Amino acid sequence: NAGVTQTPKFQVLKTGQSMTLQCAQDMNHNSMYWYRQDPGMGLRLIYYSASEGTTDKGEVPNGYNVSRLNKREFSLRLESAAPSQTSVYFCASSEWGSNQPQHFGDGTRLSIL
Amino acid sequence: QQQVKQSPQSLIVQKGGISIINCAYENTAFDYFPWYQQFPGKGPALLIAIRPDVSEKKEGRFTISFNKSAKQFSLHIMDSQPGDSATYFCAARKGNSGYSTLTFGKGTMLLVSP
Repeated sequence: NAGVTQTPKFQVLKTGQSMTLQCAQDMNHNSMYWYRQDPGMGLRLIYYSASEGTTDKGEVPNGYNVSRLNKREFSLRLESAAPSQTSVYFCASSEWGSNQPQHFGDGTRLSIL
Repeated sequence: QQQVKQSPQSLIVQKGGISIINCAYENTAFDYFPWYQQFPGKGPALLIAIRPDVSEKKEGRFTISFNKSAKQFSLHIMDSQPGDSATYFCAARKGNSGYSTLTFGKGTMLLVSP
């Protein structure tokens, strides 16, 4: 039982390049989330998908797009990477219902030069 | 606007001591307050959570104290162990009926010295 799987684990990009971060969960969860984690900033929500077929902006959506491909998969795309997007990106999922815990993947460490 | 303020940023505690991490929130619409634990190179994992109708919740060595009138809550780690060394995040939920979005504090790096 893998839980939440993120690929790749590490990536280095040049400014202006595009990239898609992949996330898949095998817990049959309805809701999925993308966060970024920066030193001293905690975790900030980029986008979320409450259920298959829906996506909504979080706190810091600028420069990102998402696709909820199916119930299992939720991808995050950087169309034109900028150095300010250097961060660790976490995907999470949760069961439907209030107070259900979010389960996180181990992150993608992205550096943009 | 930071909706969940967490302190301290870092904390060093001796083995066997009590670790205390504090959080304060502003939005009275928050109705669920989890704490997450994160080890280096890993994603955060739920540690313990509380709802505002309860003043305290204890799970093993971990206790959340909640003060609704002051809009503050704290994590106490009793008999702290080196294995507790990690980053801890408080969070607050403002959710609709089905799903939840969490607002996280900035995190506290805890080091428990042997």
